Amino acid sequence: ETGVTQTPRHLVMGMTNKKSLKCEQHLGHNAMYWYKQSAKKPLELMFVYNFKEQTENNSVPSRFSPECPNSSHLFLHLHTLQPEDSALYLCASSHRLAGGIQETQYFGPGTRLLVL
Amino acid sequence: AQKITQTQPGMFVQEKEAVTLDCTYDTSDPSYGLFWYKQPSSGEMIFLIYQGSYDQQNATEGRYSLNFQKARKSANLVISASQLGDSAMYFCAMREVGTGNQFYFGTGTSLTVIP
Repeated sequence: ETGVTQTPRHLVMGMTNKKSLKCEQHLGHNAMYWYKQSAKKPLELMFVYNFKEQTENNSVPSRFSPECPNSSHLFLHLHTLQPEDSALYLCASSHRLAGGIQETQYFGPGTRLLVL
Repeated sequence: AQKITQTQPGMFVQEKEAVTLDCTYDTSDPSYGLFWYKQPSSGEMIFLIYQGSYDQQNATEGRYSLNFQKARKSANLVISASQLGDSAMYFCAMREVGTGNQFYFGTGTSLTVIP
């Protein structure tokens, strides 16, 4: 496997279900991100992990719970979601350099989530 | 205010022609990076090209080039010799050193290449 992988690619869940999204990066990066992409809106940054430590949480509802057990794996645990949470969830990773401008984020293929 | 503005929701180009996708940005940070990504219908965001705020020359990567006009705060993507496989959404993004981890994305431009 190369790059950034995400599973599952598609997920349909009811509002009372609990599910988890998984992301794995094979690039040796030290920072990982969750984004939400809704139709006709810019990508929304949800969470950032830098060296396994969460450094940002952009006012995301508590029904989304991230977990980063190591610098290669990132999870997004979902529970009691709402229909408006239906979106494409993208994971990304980057190599964090102190003061670096060119810190390119590499993305996975995303999980298309539908909440019924 | 929007950090990244992409004013073209949809663009069409004839195969083998060149096309320019517009991007303007808003920042007061002297250190920033500009990125373009391609998102095919499969969903994956593919990194295309990068331009740093201190770079003197416009970035080029194969058929992609970035027309960087710092005073106008614009970073347009030029795709030369368009191919059918170039049909996708294209996103402009910016990272400011001052805001650390934050990447700001535009709303994207949908490009359709016509045979």
